[in-house]
Amino acid sequence: KAGVTQTPRYLIKTRGQQVTLSCSPISGHRSVSWYQQTPGQGLQFLFEYFSETQRNKGNFPGRFSGRQFSNSRSEMNVSTLELGDSALYLCASSLAPGSGTNEQFFGPGTRLTVL
Amino acid sequence: DAKTTQPNSMESNEEEPVHLPCNHSTISGTDYIHWYRQLPSQGPEYVIHGLTSNVNNRMASLAIAEDRKSSTLILHRATLRDAAVYYCILRDSGSTGYALNFGKGTSLLVTP
Repeated sequence: KAGVTQTPRYLIKTRGQQVTLSCSPISGHRSVSWYQQTPGQGLQFLFEYFSETQRNKGNFPGRFSGRQFSNSRSEMNVSTLELGDSALYLCASSLAPGSGTNEQFFGPGTRLTVL
Repeated sequence: DAKTTQPNSMESNEEEPVHLPCNHSTISGTDYIHWYRQLPSQGPEYVIHGLTSNVNNRMASLAIAEDRKSSTLILHRATLRDAAVYYCILRDSGSTGYALNFGKGTSLLVTP
């Protein structure tokens, strides 16, 4: 069974541009979450989607948005890029909305560099 | 979710057991204890989770204190491949979402 895939793996953008990252969850998984990882802040939760609906959102500005499609694939978008948005963006999938026991499966991430 | 405290780093020799501690003194009765690890240049991966009793799987064992205010992840024979950042995370069983609070984790160095 294929794991979580993220595209592209690497991306270089300049300040002010926007970017769209894509995530394909494990087949059969309907919940997708996004995280940002930076050396200073570590791993921080961005948002979670299930059945095309955003269920949870982390403490990030409105420039960060996402969506989920009917096939459970998800995209996240960052508009008006800032230097501080340079990070590894990780996508994780799960079978269904969380309980305390369900595990998340992470993709390899997309490394975004903003110049 | 309640907060966890882990040492910043630990070091182990290859093929020796490793005990990674985690303190969670404000844990509630419905919090599960999860461990994830992140190998270099990879996304995090699930290791193990438990509620009250000790748990074993093919990767590791989880020992939970009787008062549940601390837990220990045990790698029985560390290999070089186990060098990673290990995260101890509490998850409320009633949680309706998957927002994991990773914290800083423990960076494990394994030396030959």
